[in-house]
Amino acid sequence: LAKTTQPISMDSYEGQEVNITCSHNNIATNDYITWYQQFPSQGPRFIIQGYKTKVTNEVASLFIPADRKSSTLSLPRVSLSDTAVYYCLVGLSVRYSSASKIIFGSGTRLSIRP
Amino acid sequence: KAGVTQTPRYLIKTRGQQVTLSCSPISGHRSVSWYQQTPGQGLQFLFEYFSETQRNKGNFPGRFSGRQFSNSRSEMNVSTLELGDSALYLCASSLEYFYNSPLHFGNGTRLTVT
Repeated sequence: LAKTTQPISMDSYEGQEVNITCSHNNIATNDYITWYQQFPSQGPRFIIQGYKTKVTNEVASLFIPADRKSSTLSLPRVSLSDTAVYYCLVGLSVRYSSASKIIFGSGTRLSIRP
Repeated sequence: KAGVTQTPRYLIKTRGQQVTLSCSPISGHRSVSWYQQTPGQGLQFLFEYFSETQRNKGNFPGRFSGRQFSNSRSEMNVSTLELGDSALYLCASSLEYFYNSPLHFGNGTRLTVT
């Protein structure tokens, strides 16, 4: 089973760029990498998803190197409201296989200070 | 479009009892998955249903079961409750077979077992 590893916590300041890295050494060929954000007492919220190279949307960028064994979520110019737990998710192949599992990492607790 | 709805929001049960949690996915989503979240273990995958069939199952005892109805709504049942079952139970839906489609989470059911 693929396992993801993320830093337990990170601190930053408003206006800074924050990069959170996730390691997933056993990622399979068909797996996508997805990042979620979770606030207390709420369900995780989808941020961004990618397969390789770089993906950017209105809130974040996702960088994936060629070997795909890690990925980096980049949050530009963070604000206090970005204080949350961030999860890196790697699904296992094979599509439609009953052996597939969802693996959530332990998450990274990001704290943003004024 | 309405999001994922979980009911009830809070539950208090006694050891040995059983409990049923309900999840209504986003309209059009056929995949529903369930997760247990605790401070010690983080976010753990329970099982996933697609078109009324259980496709994947996590490493939980048989006391945890679920089902999905023809309208994609899903229920999760826990029998013979133990103190360690106290957790936030999250349901997520997705448009396709779930691990390569972004998950949309509800805000969970907070279960307390006394």
